[in-house]
Amino acid sequence: SQQGEEDPQALSIQEGENATMNCSYKTSINNLQWYRQNSGRGLVHLILIRSNEREKHSGRLRVTLDTSKKSSSLLITASRAADTASYFCATLFSGGYNKLIFGAGTRLAVHP
Amino acid sequence: GAVVSQHPSRVICKSGTSVKIECRSLDFQATTMFWYRQFPKQSLMLMATSNEGSKATYEQGVEKDKFLINHASLTLSTLTVTSAHPEDSSFYICSASTGNNYGYTFGSGTRLTVV
Repeated sequence: SQQGEEDPQALSIQEGENATMNCSYKTSINNLQWYRQNSGRGLVHLILIRSNEREKHSGRLRVTLDTSKKSSSLLITASRAADTASYFCATLFSGGYNKLIFGAGTRLAVHP
Repeated sequence: GAVVSQHPSRVICKSGTSVKIECRSLDFQATTMFWYRQFPKQSLMLMATSNEGSKATYEQGVEKDKFLINHASLTLSTLTVTSAHPEDSSFYICSASTGNNYGYTFGSGTRLTVV
């Protein structure tokens, strides 16, 4: 990807289990964002964490950010079949003009 | 909330023709818009950043004469794929920002098939 890697590339779990996705990036950032994409559709913004924050929650989502390791994680608790989608992290370059760069993404499949 | 409308959602064109994709911010003014390309089961690759009233900034490796971007107003950016070839077939997505570095809003994407 242009910015970094995400792991795992694919994750398959049962409903009710937690799903954890990790993201690494390469450059200094202003913030890191997580997005969801259903197959063949546009992206939906899930959560944003600023570079001076370490953890953030939104409903069943928990995001952490470690700027020293240039990494972030997204935890989805009590997963549902409707959570099946691809999840991408994206970072906003802090140098020069603003541009949003995406990680490779994790394809999550939640089975009933 | 902020809404971005992208049109068309699907287009099939013949090799050698040009295709225009529109991206409109419906309820906010977008000072910056981004155009991405996505291959199946892959991530979004940033193609270019367009700023209202100025020339687009293209990412390395993206042909500016091939992918023409126009951002003539604060609510409309267009991407024209010129002299399309089958290898241009892809999913193109636009994104708009109000310039405050918060979450970006994405269009629903355009699936281009060149035959």
